[in-house]
Amino acid sequence: SQTIHQWPATLVQPVGSPLSLECTVEGTSNPNLYWYRQAAGRGLQLLFYSVGIGQISSEVPQNLSASRPQDRQFILSSKKLLLSDSGFYLCAWTLDRGNEQYFGPGTRLTVT
Amino acid sequence: AQSVTQLDSQVPVFEEAPVELRCNYSSSVSVYLFWYVQYPNQGLQLLLKYLSGSTLVKGINGFEAEFNKSQTSFHLRKPSVHISDTAEYFCAAQSEWGGSNYKLTFGKGTLLTVNP
Repeated sequence: SQTIHQWPATLVQPVGSPLSLECTVEGTSNPNLYWYRQAAGRGLQLLFYSVGIGQISSEVPQNLSASRPQDRQFILSSKKLLLSDSGFYLCAWTLDRGNEQYFGPGTRLTVT
Repeated sequence: AQSVTQLDSQVPVFEEAPVELRCNYSSSVSVYLFWYVQYPNQGLQLLLKYLSGSTLVKGINGFEAEFNKSQTSFHLRKPSVHISDTAEYFCAAQSEWGGSNYKLTFGKGTLLTVNP
């Protein structure tokens, strides 16, 4: 069966520090991968998606970046965090149009 | 491009009462429609989806939704809620056609609170 992992589960970082969040998927091949952010009361914001290794599309211009070094690995990064980067970050995957997007457990990021 | 509107940000109900969470969509092309549930500090979980066929869709945990093309709506219903249904519910749309990105457009969510 397929599973999706995210780590760390929680993270507290000072403003200006770097960030690396990791997402890995097991039990499937060549999935589409997505990074979302949830801020309180603002729903889900799609940040990045990837349809293949090394292929990254950005939805929102910001100080975050994403990379997909392997088929089932998706990384969200920042060189310098801002207070506004605080939120709940979710990774998701799917295989096809009309199929369910499967979500990971999320990472709670607090920038202080 | 499409948009999804969830008309109620919060819906409080009493246990064993019926509930309806409203969702309207706007799109220039045909869409697939989804309802997801999110429990506190967890990821989203699919409740049900509409792709084609019967407009009444049944999902997990006793939820159902009805697709209404003329009203561009996809409202979620449950005849009798439990305390454990307290969660945030998201409606989402996906174009039937397009490239390979399979992106979802989400509404802003409805917080369902079931009180004893």
